[in-house]
Amino acid sequence: DAGVTQSPTHLIKTRGQQVTLRCSPKSGHDTVSWYQQALGQGPQFIFQYYEEEERQRGNFPDRFSGHQFPNYSSELNVNALLLGDSALYLCASSPGGRTEAFFGQGTRLTVV
Amino acid sequence: GQQVMQIPQYQHVQEGEDFTTYCNSSTTLSNIQWYKQRPGGHPVFLIQLVKSGEVKKQKRLTFQFGEAKKNSSLHITATQTTDVGTYFCADGGSQGNLIFGKGTKLSVKP
Repeated sequence: DAGVTQSPTHLIKTRGQQVTLRCSPKSGHDTVSWYQQALGQGPQFIFQYYEEEERQRGNFPDRFSGHQFPNYSSELNVNALLLGDSALYLCASSPGGRTEAFFGQGTRLTVV
Repeated sequence: GQQVMQIPQYQHVQEGEDFTTYCNSSTTLSNIQWYKQRPGGHPVFLIQLVKSGEVKKQKRLTFQFGEAKKNSSLHITATQTTDVGTYFCADGGSQGNLIFGKGTKLSVKP
């Protein structure tokens, strides 16, 4: 049983560019959340998707957007990248009705 | 906004010593979750506490939830080098938007 998988593992982008990160949830999980983790900090909640809709959103600008597909996989899009967007982006999935999160290995985004 | 404070930020112990990290919130928590993140890795769910005064054990790890549901602790007995990593508590909320503390980074000297 595969866990949460994310792609790519690492990414280098230039300021102003756009990026798309992908996530496949753990089998049987229908809820996907995205987190941003800066170096030395705890993960910060970006948003959560359930039934293909954004159910909750953290304190992130509109440059951060997402999508969930019918097979529960999800994408995180970030437009107009800033240097401060450099971080580890974590996807987490949860089974329906439960709050504990199962994280993928993350995508390390570097903006130069 | 809702914040979860965690202390200490760092802890260095000799292998075999005990370790405790504390988590505090200014508001009542619906549930508290604990995660471990190894260096270069991703957070791994350890446990969820829901009830006031709840105590749960996992081998050498003991988790407690305060009576007022505003604080929690993780205690590791007789640390091993495999315990190295950062331990995070998180406010589990009602719909799973986890609010993480800044974590306690544990290093263990063999």
